[in-house]
This record gives sequence, C-alpha cells and structure tokens, in this order.
Amino acid sequence: DTAVSQTPKYLVTQMGNDKSIKCEQNLGHDTMYWYKQDSKKFLKIMFSYNNKELIINETVPNRFSPKSPDKAHLNLHINSLELGDSAVYFCASSQDTRLVDGELFFGEGSRLTVL
Amino acid sequence: QQPVQSPQAVILREGEDAVINCSSSKALYSVHWYRQKHGEAPVFLMILLKGGEQKGHEKISASFNEKKQQSSLYLTASQLSYSGTYFCGTASGGGADGLTFGKGTHLIIQP
Repeated sequence: DTAVSQTPKYLVTQMGNDKSIKCEQNLGHDTMYWYKQDSKKFLKIMFSYNNKELIINETVPNRFSPKSPDKAHLNLHINSLELGDSAVYFCASSQDTRLVDGELFFGEGSRLTVL
Repeated sequence: QQPVQSPQAVILREGEDAVINCSSSKALYSVHWYRQKHGEAPVFLMILLKGGEQKGHEKISASFNEKKQQSSLYLTASQLSYSGTYFCGTASGGGADGLTFGKGTHLIIQP
C-alpha cells in the first residue's frame, strides 16, 4: 500500500477553471502538508494542517484552499486557475508535528498544467 | 526564512567525493536532507538534531553546527545512484509549520 497517495497524477486544464487534488495517507500521521514545486524545482510549503491548526504560507493566494474531511485526508482546491499555477504539487505527512524528530513522507506528486 | 544551499550544482566522476552546504539565518531545531530524482518525489536521507543526534542513511554522513546554524552533507565515494537534486530542509520546532527547503543542489555523477 502506498503511504501517501495523490490523485490525479496529471491534470491539464484551462485558465479560469477550478480544480482539486486529493491526498490520502495511511500512516496514521497527525500532520499533513501541501508543497508546490515550480519549474526551477523550488520546493515551497503552501499549507500545513493538523487536528488543531492550519498554517498558511502568507505568500499563497487565497484562490488556494486546503480541505480536510478527516486526519487521513487533505485535499487542495484551486479556484480561477492561472498560468503561474502550473507546477508539481506534493502532498506530505509527518508523525512529529514540529518535525524536530521525524521525516516527511511525500506523495508521488500531481503535475498541474494550466493552458 | 529559506535556508541557503551551496553549491547550486556539482558534476562528479563516480568514486569522487562531494560536500553540500546548508545555512540558515534563524535558530534551528533540526536539519533534514532529502534527495529527489527526476520525476519522483523527494526521499528522506537524514535528520540532524540539536545535541548532535543523527538518524538516516548508512553511506551518507552529515554534520550540524548549531552555533552557526549550518549543516553539511558529505557524499563519499559517490555512486551513479547518488545523482539527483539534494534539498536541505529546516525546522524551527515552534509549531506545525513544516520544513522550509533550500533551493536544492543538482548533483550529476558521471561514469
């Protein structure tokens, strides 16, 4: 079984559309994250979420919103897609919320292309 | 605050050694190292904690200078499989705010 799974792996869409990427982890972790990796391979955190708090990177446009139906799932909704949103989006999870002692487990990534 | 990695890229022959550096301007509780191969997800290599504890890869070593907020990853007797992009990630330990990654170091190992 895949520890952190994302769907879809590839997503091609038009500017202005709304899309979602789903993420599920079966590791029993309390904290999940969304990272964005652009064409230059910069890996930038967008959100982190556990049962108690949602932390949003202040540079993330409010067109992006995370939604967590339960602690095993953290979905990413994107409204009014723009060309600059094209990137690979990685979901990740960790057992240790503060990451002082514990690794990030990444999903395989979802490549979003906005035309 | 994003940690700074150097060098940006390294090309080595198989069997040669490399050092990748990571520095931060803020106090760190831990430094993580990940390797990403083309088209794949980043994979955990090592974590270095305050106090000197290390956890991770058998053939890759690293150091963490807490006073200087610097970490170095040492790749000795490099193998072709070491090729990829190496990221350091830093954690402040203050809350569930994830890892902040450096811009990565591209490592190419040639036969």
